[in-house]
Amino acid sequence: DSGVTQTPKHLITATGQRVTLRCSPRSGDLSVYWYQQSLDQGLQFLIQYYNGEERAKGNILERFSAQQFPDLHSELNLSSLELGDSALYFCASSSGQGAFSSQPQHFGDGTRLSIL
Amino acid sequence: AQSVTQLGSHVSVSEGALVLLRCNYSSSVPPYLFWYVQYPNQGLQLLLKYTSAATLVKGINGFEAEFKKSETSFHLTKPSAHMSDAAEYFCAVSVPGNQFYFGTGTSLTVIP
Repeated sequence: DSGVTQTPKHLITATGQRVTLRCSPRSGDLSVYWYQQSLDQGLQFLIQYYNGEERAKGNILERFSAQQFPDLHSELNLSSLELGDSALYFCASSSGQGAFSSQPQHFGDGTRLSIL
Repeated sequence: AQSVTQLGSHVSVSEGALVLLRCNYSSSVPPYLFWYVQYPNQGLQLLLKYTSAATLVKGINGFEAEFKKSETSFHLTKPSAHMSDAAEYFCAVSVPGNQFYFGTGTSLTVIP
């Protein structure tokens, strides 16, 4: 058990819809990272937050947004969903401040998003 | 530019044989390097990390990796493969500029 909790585990929705994925980091970790894993793109870094502030941005689409709340949980919002957004979305947490860090990331079990 | 490359998307070894999974990185300054393992329908678990303390890093489950600056490599090895080692393995690099990159992964199959 990594200590990182992601909900829901599975999500099925239709094109054009909007969904919110939730992540609770490990106790004591201030950084949260979001990743998208798909068969054709592999594991892609989307965005990182540290203590409520955005710290690093990767290949995140404009239709996607995220935030980290004062209690350190984070949400990833995906809107105007397309078939190609079907993927596993992982959240990870770390005690490091930035993406450039010696501190490892601890991953949740992911949310599997299926767009019909 | 790709910061981490994993050679071989699929590797098969016999049970008891040596496991060698290759990872090369590109960075103008020494990066932090990691190996993660992913079992089906699970998140990634940290196997080991290199943070410049020692070039030979020992991890969990008998895995180890050696940082070779001259070859810009961080290959993962295990002397004797076990059936339970079958999984997807990811090399990852943390580089200045606040970026974290994963390799494309290597699927390890262990043949009984």
